[in-house]
Amino acid sequence: GESVGLHLPTLSVQEGDNSIINCAYSNSASDYFIWYKQESGKGPQFIIDIRSNMDKRQGQRVTVLLNKTVKHLSLQIAATQPGDSAVYFCAENTPPHRGSTLGRLYFGRGTQLTVWP
Amino acid sequence: DAGVIQSPRHEVTEMGQEVTLRCKPISGHDYLFWYRQTMMRGLELLIYFNNNVPIDDSGMPEDRFSAKMPNASFSTLKIQPSEPRDSAVYFCASSLAMGNTEAFFGQGTRLTVV
Repeated sequence: GESVGLHLPTLSVQEGDNSIINCAYSNSASDYFIWYKQESGKGPQFIIDIRSNMDKRQGQRVTVLLNKTVKHLSLQIAATQPGDSAVYFCAENTPPHRGSTLGRLYFGRGTQLTVWP
Repeated sequence: DAGVIQSPRHEVTEMGQEVTLRCKPISGHDYLFWYRQTMMRGLELLIYFNNNVPIDDSGMPEDRFSAKMPNASFSTLKIQPSEPRDSAVYFCASSLAMGNTEAFFGQGTRLTVV
């Protein structure tokens, strides 16, 4: 899962297995969450999002689960493929707070997923 | 649309020189973001614009950093003078809205200051 520190958390899985990448977010007021995938040498690419009024959302081969009680987000990838190898980031949107009109999108540190053939 | 376009893709410069990074957002997107990515600090938001107006620049590390958005299709991030600790990958992103929709990222500019 995500963590603060110098080294990215890593997850290694066999091709065809399911992957679960975890993320702990910090702000209980966050109302929107996004998972991004970043391949080497490229910019982050949107995978799936979820709003705080939901606890599960499914896409093609991916599912995001949101547990607001423990401020936890997970990304499940079904039948993981070599092309899924990348760094995965979760991002949380913090809404404007009292006295400010500013909302912010904060990114976690990322998890390196490696898929072995 | 070709997506968010950044230039240059790579920049190597000497300490003390001025560096200008460029970004063309996706047409019709009202928000533009500049991020910096390093291994130490991950992805950090430097500044974002809404309708060409800077809204939040609290992430800009120092006065050496400045960003402009003269029109809806172009933004620059300038570092003057550059320092070795500015070495990072700088991403530009754009989105239709803020807080309820994803941002689309460019390919980034890898800056190396020697």
